[in-house]
Parts: sequence; C-alpha cells; structure tokens
Amino acid sequence: DTGVSQDPRHKITKRGQNVTFRCDPISEHNRLYWYRQTLGQGPEFLTYFQNEAQLEKSRLLSDRFSAERPKGSFSTLEIQRTEQGDSAMYLCASSLETGSGTIYFGEGSWLTVV
Amino acid sequence: GEDVEQSLFLSVREGDSSVINCTYTDSSSTYLYWYKQEPGAGLQLLTYIFSNMDMKQDQRLTVLLNKKDKHLSLRIADTQTGDSAIYFCAETTGSARQLTFGSGTQLTVLP
Repeated sequence: DTGVSQDPRHKITKRGQNVTFRCDPISEHNRLYWYRQTLGQGPEFLTYFQNEAQLEKSRLLSDRFSAERPKGSFSTLEIQRTEQGDSAMYLCASSLETGSGTIYFGEGSWLTVV
Repeated sequence: GEDVEQSLFLSVREGDSSVINCTYTDSSSTYLYWYKQEPGAGLQLLTYIFSNMDMKQDQRLTVLLNKKDKHLSLRIADTQTGDSAIYFCAETTGSARQLTFGSGTQLTVLP
C-alpha cells in the first residue's frame, strides 16, 4: 500500500517565481483533492478532480493557481508569481467515489515564499 | 455557512482518557471524520462515523455523535505520550464530499 505521495516535501522559493507540486493518489482512487493548510489552522479545500475532470474549485483558488490531472492518475498544482501569502502546506488527498468515500491524505508539500 | 468548531487545547495525564469535542453545522453531512496530525506531517485518518450512527468504537477510540445537537466527540482511552498531536474534526460537504475542518485541538499528554 503506497498511500498518497507528494513531491517535493519542501520548497523554498523567491517571491514572483513559479512552483509546481505533484501528487500521486492511491492507485484505484478516482477522486483527488487539493487542500491548503496555514499554521494554526485546519486544511481548507482548494479543488477536486473526478478522474481527469476538475469539477469544483474553491474561491481560495486564485487565477495564479492551476491544477491538472491529465490522465486521471497523478495531479499537479502550479502556483504562478508566488506571493508571501502563498506560504503554506499544500495537501493532496484521494478517495473512491463509492462506499464511504473515505479521504486519505498525503504528507503534504511545504511552501515557503521569501 | 459551514463552520466546524473545536476547543484549541487539551492536556491529560498519561493513562487517563481524553475527550475531544467538536460541533458542526451541516446537517446533511453523511460522514464525520477524525484526523490526527503530528508536527510537520500530513493528516492521518483515525476513524469516521456515518451520520445514522450514534457511536463507533475502534480499539482505544470511541466516537459519539449527537445529530440533534450537531456534536461529535472522540474519546481516547488509556492516553499515551504518542497520542500527543493535533486532532481535527471534519464534516463532509458538497457534491464532492469535500471536507470542512475545524481548527484542531492540540492534545498534550503529560507523563
């Protein structure tokens, strides 16, 4: 059981640079989620894919953020022109559409914008 | 709107029981979850309860659900130092059943 895998685990970038995070969900899971977590807060929903289709986006997901899941397997989250306020942990999660739809999280990708 | 509330801190002695409480707002939530987060790590699923259940027990963990009051609790029996972490309550919302989290309860287990 490989679980949800995220890469990189940590990223430090200068303000204005672009960053990309990758998520590999649990292999049979067709739903994939991205969340953002800042210090002292619970995770906040950003966006969700069912297979390759991006079906829902939070208002937190500004125009500088884009997520893809081209073949319905792994996903990428790109942040363009990073700002200091983007510093957070970006969590990926996956689930099955059927049954309890229990959502399993990866270890997260920490982003620090300096 | 959706809002999940938890108390921020809880301290217990090793060997005692811990009870972490949560209130939620979305009465249509089908599942309610408890996750554990250790420093610098992702979220570990501890347990969940279906909304038509009142109680669920899983080894040292007991979840109680009061749908009328929209109150959820997690009881950890025989709390150990390894249980020290932040515990998040979450409700499912929306068509995608995405999770809405509380701010987390920091559990500190004293020796």
